Amino acid sequence: NAGVMQNPRHLVRRRGQEARLRCSPMKGHSHVYWYRQLPEEGLKFMVYLQKENIIDESGMPKERFSAEFPKEGPSILRIQQVVRGDSAAYFCASSPSRGGHYGYTFGSGTRLTVV
Amino acid sequence: AQTVTQSQPEMSVQEAETVTLSCTYDTSESDYYLFWYKQPPSRQMILVIRQEAYKQQNATENRFSVNFQKAAKSFSLKISDSQLGDAAMYFCAYRRTQGGSEKLVFGKGMKLTVNP
Repeated sequence: NAGVMQNPRHLVRRRGQEARLRCSPMKGHSHVYWYRQLPEEGLKFMVYLQKENIIDESGMPKERFSAEFPKEGPSILRIQQVVRGDSAAYFCASSPSRGGHYGYTFGSGTRLTVV
Repeated sequence: AQTVTQSQPEMSVQEAETVTLSCTYDTSESDYYLFWYKQPPSRQMILVIRQEAYKQQNATENRFSVNFQKAAKSFSLKISDSQLGDAAMYFCAYRRTQGGSEKLVFGKGMKLTVNP
């Protein structure tokens, strides 16, 4: 049973380009969470999604950032018109239901570098 | 507001020795969950141990154990018989629930070095 798969592992974008980060949850998991880790910091919550629904996007910047988790396919975190400050590691986690009290399973992250 | 504080940014321990990582948190909830995650250089977030607040018994997982002091809102991690593979960043986290949502609130982390 494969874990949470994130791709790409590394992504380099020029300022103003778009970044698309993908997350395939563990098999049977229908809840996905995105976190951002800035250098020398802990992970910060961005968004919580279920299939075709955004449950909580309170951690998402109001502009340029969006997330989706379609009925079929991976969850996508999209950053439009990237800026240097978007450079960070972005992690996805999944759980089988609302019940992360067992601890979420994290992917290996995507390191985004904006040049 | 729920916050998680790890006051020691770095620690080191000799191989085979014991080390304790501290964590304090703030919450108004009475029932909640706490976690320690390990992040080695590979960047993978690995769950080390979890604690349910309503359980008075401290959680243990092999060489890892916690000292959970609910009244003091303290949640420290003890690593016994430290191994070179324990070297990593360690993050304390609190599971926050609000309405229909849930999320983890992380501390800033602590870098553990294990000396041979």
